[in-house]
Amino acid sequence: KAGVTQTPRYLIKTRGQQVTLSCSPISGHRSVSWYQQTPGQGLQFLFEYFSETQRNKGNFPGRFSGRQFSNSRSEMNVSTLELGDSALYLCASSLGVSGYEAFFGQGTRLTVV
Amino acid sequence: GENVEQHPSTLSVQEGDSAVIKCTYSDSASNYFPWYKQELGKGPQLIIDIRSNVGEKKDQRIAVTLNKTAKHFSLHITETQPEDSAVYFCAASYSGNTPLVFGKGTRLSVIA
Repeated sequence: KAGVTQTPRYLIKTRGQQVTLSCSPISGHRSVSWYQQTPGQGLQFLFEYFSETQRNKGNFPGRFSGRQFSNSRSEMNVSTLELGDSALYLCASSLGVSGYEAFFGQGTRLTVV
Repeated sequence: GENVEQHPSTLSVQEGDSAVIKCTYSDSASNYFPWYKQELGKGPQLIIDIRSNVGEKKDQRIAVTLNKTAKHFSLHITETQPEDSAVYFCAASYSGNTPLVFGKGTRLSVIA
């Protein structure tokens, strides 16, 4: 079956702009988690959605937000982009909750200039 | 909250040798410990996981061991091959309640 699909793969944005990233989980998976990956900080948890409800939230500013639709697809939004937001944003889907047997997509590489 | 330490940060081995990567965790409530392999330009791939009711789990050339008392777990790769070269991440969580907390990663290089 198809894996986790993230779009777009690459993005270049200017400081102050906003961006929306999309994640389609594995069919049947109801949990979607988002992570930010940077060389300095590694993989850091942003938020998790399960059945359209945010279950957990990481320690990121309010500029980072997300949502999940009834078909389990998820989007994350970053407003007022800063240079430090440049990172690989990864989405992971699970059948159940909170990262158990989580499968990652290939990520969206965001560059803020 | 949970904190996961991973060592070493880089590891070079000769093809055919074994590789061991170690992680320690801080929260004794954590009960799920997956390992991920990330190749260049790709997302992390789940390669093996273990739950706290098991001390060891094997899958062909890879194995994971868990010591709950000491709060550490390890990844063992035997008969390494060049295609094992990648960055490996350990993680911990209390399944059903908390998100995965990752170690900083180990860059494994297998030299042919």
